[in-house]
Amino acid sequence: DGGITQSPKYLFRKEGQNVTLSCEQNLNHDAMYWYRQDPGQGLRLIYYSQIVNDFQKGDIAEGYSVSREKKESFPLTVTSAQKNPTAFYLCASSRESGTGDQPQHFGDGTRLSIL
Amino acid sequence: RKEVEQDPGPFNVPEGATVAFNCTYSNSASQSFFWYRQDCRKEPKLLMSVYSSGNEDGRFTAQLNRASQYISLLIRDSKLSDSATYLCVVVLFSGGYNKLIFGAGTRLAVHP
Repeated sequence: DGGITQSPKYLFRKEGQNVTLSCEQNLNHDAMYWYRQDPGQGLRLIYYSQIVNDFQKGDIAEGYSVSREKKESFPLTVTSAQKNPTAFYLCASSRESGTGDQPQHFGDGTRLSIL
Repeated sequence: RKEVEQDPGPFNVPEGATVAFNCTYSNSASQSFFWYRQDCRKEPKLLMSVYSSGNEDGRFTAQLNRASQYISLLIRDSKLSDSATYLCVVVLFSGGYNKLIFGAGTRLAVHP
């Protein structure tokens, strides 16, 4: 079955530690995205990538880093510089279109908490 | 003003009721519109796209009013399984890509 796989489902971070969240898709989508969701708030874009080896900052990129070495994979690293990392992290992918009419499809998310 | 605004609810309705959610957006250049459904502690899932002419999918009807910058979702004959948070999503071409802007969601609770 085609889809987006995020791992792990739950992750705990110690102070001063970097952690990496995995996102893999087999939908052959060009574009991939990382969002953060806090309780009672809408999703906020962290980073996005439209093609391999290229990515751009979203609205809240500080304290995060990404790579896009393969079309299928878009890992997110939460660095120690991110002082409030506790949130629900969602990875998404979509076909690219000039008109923006392609919806994004989401993985089932990773919950990150501070120890 | 938020870019996408929704009534947070919760909307508590009995089974079989008809319920309507509204959403307003601030940027008139917005291009595309979607409704997503999100169950508690789960990922958002696409419910339906919203077209200018309005569109229907079974018990669900979506409407778009570009002049008023307003989107609606109507659910008829509510089922217990419709209980979820409904996210209004607006697409805006910004910074060289199609940016999705999410509302905070409207919570629906359908009771027996």
